[in-house]
Amino acid sequence: EIVLTQSPATLSLSPGERATLSCRASQSVSRYLAWYQQKPGQAPRLLIYDASNRATGIPARFSGSGSGTDFTLTISSLEPEDFAVYYCQQRINWPRTFGQGTKLEIK
Amino acid sequence: EVQLLESGGGLVQPGGSLRLSCAASGFTFSTYGMSWVRQAPGKGLEWVSAISGGGDVTYYADSVKGRFTISRDNSKNTLYLQMNSLRAEDTAVYYCVLIAVPGYFHYWGQGTRVSVSS
Repeated sequence: EIVLTQSPATLSLSPGERATLSCRASQSVSRYLAWYQQKPGQAPRLLIYDASNRATGIPARFSGSGSGTDFTLTISSLEPEDFAVYYCQQRINWPRTFGQGTKLEIK
Repeated sequence: EVQLLESGGGLVQPGGSLRLSCAASGFTFSTYGMSWVRQAPGKGLEWVSAISGGGDVTYYADSVKGRFTISRDNSKNTLYLQMNSLRAEDTAVYYCVLIAVPGYFHYWGQGTRVSVSS
């Protein structure tokens, strides 16, 4: 099973700042990695797939990069609605696995 | 518009059974793989099971293998999860998910809550 480790566990920033979230895989997942956003009481939402492709309707301030074992989700300028929990997920192997999440909170 | 509506959750005793359903609309159901993903209270996301568009290929997490069965009825646009021998650690919100791009969880239902407790 591929283990995904996200860092930091919690990130405290202010609106307008740049956010950088990391996801590291225990073995290479090539570019087969996605990012999801989840707000309290809501289902997760797909943001990025195949490391850098934005899903339909996702604003351009969200971008993804990386390959192999190291990946980054960047939010260029935080909006108030961006404060949430973010998960990464790999699709190269079964079982599909998620990272433990990064909570992005308002500073 | 894609809609996924889960039902069938509830409170069940350890060792009991439940069947979750997911009514799908807004897309050609038989064309796409589907999945169940769960989230225990206050915890992260855990993939549970997946099924191909035709229903002939299925996958399970080790934690549920042999106890849960995923299936689909393409004539009714409905996905199912039969859960047997339920344990306290199966307590979670269960999400029905459309896999619009292979391997990724594109569209999510709002979830149905399953509680396993005596």
